[in-house]
Amino acid sequence: GAGVSQTPSNKVTEKGKYVELRCDPISGHTALYWYRQSLGQGPEFLIYFQGTGAADDSGLPNDRFFAVRPEGSVSTLKIQRTERGDSAVYLCASSLVRGGEQYFGPGTRLTVT
Amino acid sequence: GENVEQHPSTLSVQEGDSAVIKCTYSDSASNYFPWYKQELGKGPQLIIDIRSNVGEKKDQRIAVTLNKTAKHFSLHITETQPEDSAVYFCAAHPPEGYNKLIFGAGTRLAVHP
Repeated sequence: GAGVSQTPSNKVTEKGKYVELRCDPISGHTALYWYRQSLGQGPEFLIYFQGTGAADDSGLPNDRFFAVRPEGSVSTLKIQRTERGDSAVYLCASSLVRGGEQYFGPGTRLTVT
Repeated sequence: GENVEQHPSTLSVQEGDSAVIKCTYSDSASNYFPWYKQELGKGPQLIIDIRSNVGEKKDQRIAVTLNKTAKHFSLHITETQPEDSAVYFCAAHPPEGYNKLIFGAGTRLAVHP
């Protein structure tokens, strides 16, 4: 079956611009997670959704980062006033239930110039 | 909070040999430990996991062992093949809220024909 999909696969933007990254979870998965992976490191947790609500946003680095999941399926990660330090691969994962196995998408590589 | 350390950072083996990757965690209440394989340009792929109520789990050529007393867990790959070459990440699920995975820094495994 279809896995987690993310678009775009690559995004290059200028410092100060706004970007949106999209995640389409596995159908029927209620839990959705965003992680950020810098070069040579493991993924770092950003935010977790259970259904439509952000149940844990403790990993968001600052208020320039925001995410939504309005209908409990697709999620969008939004970054305002991008900085060069935001450059990383942004990974989305979903699980059938809270605490279940997490399945990752291919990621969006964000480059801020 | 939970902290996961992973060793070694790089591992080189000959085809057919075994490979072992070790991780330690800090929070004794963590209860779920997955392993992911990440190939270049792709998202992490769940390959095996173990929960804190068992000590060992095996799936064909891969196995995971868990020592709760020592707070460490290991991935064992037998009869390695060139297609096993990738970066492997261990992770731990801290007990609070089941909201996130805490990842190790990764091990780059190279299997030489």
